[in-house]
Amino acid sequence: EAQVTQNPRYLITVTGKKLTVTCSQNMNHEYMSWYRQDPGLGLRQIYYSMNVEVTDKGDVPEGYKVSRKEKRNFPLILESPSPNQTSLYFCASTYSSGANVLTFGAGSRLTVL
Amino acid sequence: AQSVTQLDSQVPVFEEAPVELRCNYSSSVSVYLFWYVQYPNQGLQLLLKYLSGSTLVKGINGFEAEFNKSQTSFHLRKPSVHISDTAEYFCAVSARGGSYIPTFGRGTSLIVHP
Repeated sequence: EAQVTQNPRYLITVTGKKLTVTCSQNMNHEYMSWYRQDPGLGLRQIYYSMNVEVTDKGDVPEGYKVSRKEKRNFPLILESPSPNQTSLYFCASTYSSGANVLTFGAGSRLTVL
Repeated sequence: AQSVTQLDSQVPVFEEAPVELRCNYSSSVSVYLFWYVQYPNQGLQLLLKYLSGSTLVKGINGFEAEFNKSQTSFHLRKPSVHISDTAEYFCAVSARGGSYIPTFGRGTSLIVHP
């Protein structure tokens, strides 16, 4: 089944404890992206990647890191999480050419205490 | 660059009533337009898309949207809603050609009451 898989789905952590949210897709998509969803603010893009080793900042990159060493994986790294990073995170992917539809993961709900 | 404005943050409606969720966009280039739906505790999924051709686009679950180039709008409609349509709806736009980076609106929460 074609899908985007995120882990963990739920996580409660404490300020300053490094964490990684993994994202993997099995559709050979070039484009991958991370979003955060907050009440009243909709979806905001954190980082995106047009292909392997090509990443760029979205609208709200502060406090996050990403890497794209393999085509299928695009992990989101929070080096020193803070409470304002408590949010619902989504990974999405698509082909980079044409009018392509994003396939979203099921979401990762992160709480930073 | 593109921008998307969803004019209503919340739309309450009774079951079997018609509904319209409004979306306006701005862009200096031609665009593709999308509506995504997010059911409670789920990720987003495509509802419908406009790429070219007929300006009236039909999607899943009885939804349709009309592209109006002169008004730069892409409003979503359903003639009769069900309780199961309760969800968050996102309008999105991406530029034709060039780098593919979609822009999302802030979302509209559709709440269907019995």
